[in-house]
Amino acid sequence: EAGVAQSPRYKIIEKRQSVAFWCNPISGHATLYWYQQILGQGPKLLIQFQNNGVVDDSQLPKDRFSAERLKGVDSTLKIQPAKLEDSAVYLCASSHPQVGYGYTFGSGTRLTVV
Amino acid sequence: AQSVTQPDIHITVSEGASLELRCNYSYGATPYLFWYVQSPGQGLQLLLKYFSGDTLVQGIKGFEAEFKRSQSSFNLRKPSVHWSDAAEYFCAVGVGGATNKLIFGTGTLLAVQP
Repeated sequence: EAGVAQSPRYKIIEKRQSVAFWCNPISGHATLYWYQQILGQGPKLLIQFQNNGVVDDSQLPKDRFSAERLKGVDSTLKIQPAKLEDSAVYLCASSHPQVGYGYTFGSGTRLTVV
Repeated sequence: AQSVTQPDIHITVSEGASLELRCNYSYGATPYLFWYVQSPGQGLQLLLKYFSGDTLVQGIKGFEAEFKRSQSSFNLRKPSVHWSDAAEYFCAVGVGGATNKLIFGTGTLLAVQP
């Protein structure tokens, strides 16, 4: 089966600019996650969707980050305006709700804010 | 609060030598525990997981891990390391409930000497 697709792979922006990341999960996976992985740290959950509804966004900095999952399939994560500390790899993952913790991760988008 | 500690930031082993990566967790209930591997530029790949039952868990690529409740540990082992095992390894705990959220440790970077 096809994996979780993410784009772009790399992005360099200046601080205060905006940026968007895209994720296409595995077909049939109703649950979608966005994790932030800062260099030297483990991934941290930003937001979780079940179909097109938000299940958990407690760690999402809502003053600058937003995410949506229209039609319960693809998802976009946006940062506006970006800060230097947003430099990280943004990982998207999906899972089937019937399979406990059956995550499949994408390769991630590496964001550098200068 | 739930947390995962990986005390070793960086480990170097010789090819063919045995390997043990340490992981300690803090979680009030019976934990769901995971080990993931991440190669450069790649997403996270699941090596093995523990939900319940036998405390010695076998995974892919010849890895195994042992759950020790008394020590709050879930150490990863491999009897003979191959050069292709060089990567970053993350231990994670699943906090359960409806979210299936994972909390990751900070990772251990494994280097393999010829």
